Amino acid sequence: GQQLNQSPQSMFIQEGEDVSMNCTSSSIFNTWLWYKQDPGEGPVLLIALYKAGELTSNGRLTAQFGITRKDSFLNISASIPSDVGIYFCAGQLRGNQGAQKLVFGQGTRLTINP
Amino acid sequence: DGGITQSPKYLFRKEGQNVTLSCEQNLNHDAMYWYRQDPGQGLRLIYYSQIVNDFQKGDIAEGYSVSREKKESFPLTVTSAQKNPTAFYLCASGLAQETQYFGPGTRLLVL
Repeated sequence: GQQLNQSPQSMFIQEGEDVSMNCTSSSIFNTWLWYKQDPGEGPVLLIALYKAGELTSNGRLTAQFGITRKDSFLNISASIPSDVGIYFCAGQLRGNQGAQKLVFGQGTRLTINP
Repeated sequence: DGGITQSPKYLFRKEGQNVTLSCEQNLNHDAMYWYRQDPGQGLRLIYYSQIVNDFQKGDIAEGYSVSREKKESFPLTVTSAQKNPTAFYLCASGLAQETQYFGPGTRLLVL
């Protein structure tokens, strides 16, 4: 099946630094999504991208839908302790009867040193 | 409050036992999904349902079963045929062709 390559797998940064992570695929997706997951909790949607080339911000977060529709990146500016967690990218396919199927990256674990 | 609820938070299964995980949503979403998450990995799709009384297999459906008798509910049964059931199970829902939103998850452990 389709796979997403998400990098880096982990990041160790100082508070206040900027963060960048990305996902690439050999498949074309209709939508790119970025989620954040805290330990023992479900993923929370951060940003949804619907058009190739789209650049969207949500506070200190910025994400872009690649022109080729095969990649996306997420940037976090001026990191703070509550940014700690695992970030997942997900590509969305359109299946039968309009059902949406998500393919997930392996996740980027973000650790912040105060 | 509106949202997606999963219960229980933790579930223990004995060898050869079937267990059922609950997922309820009051968001009036048409589609519901079940994912499995293993440590250090992304989410993998088990089953999904677009409408009541209809569901389709995902990528790893073997050893699992679902039902969709009500729009609000999409329970997942982990059968004895699933030989490696220990994982974190996540339910999601969304409007047709819209983004998916996740519940808090159920951690299944084998005794």
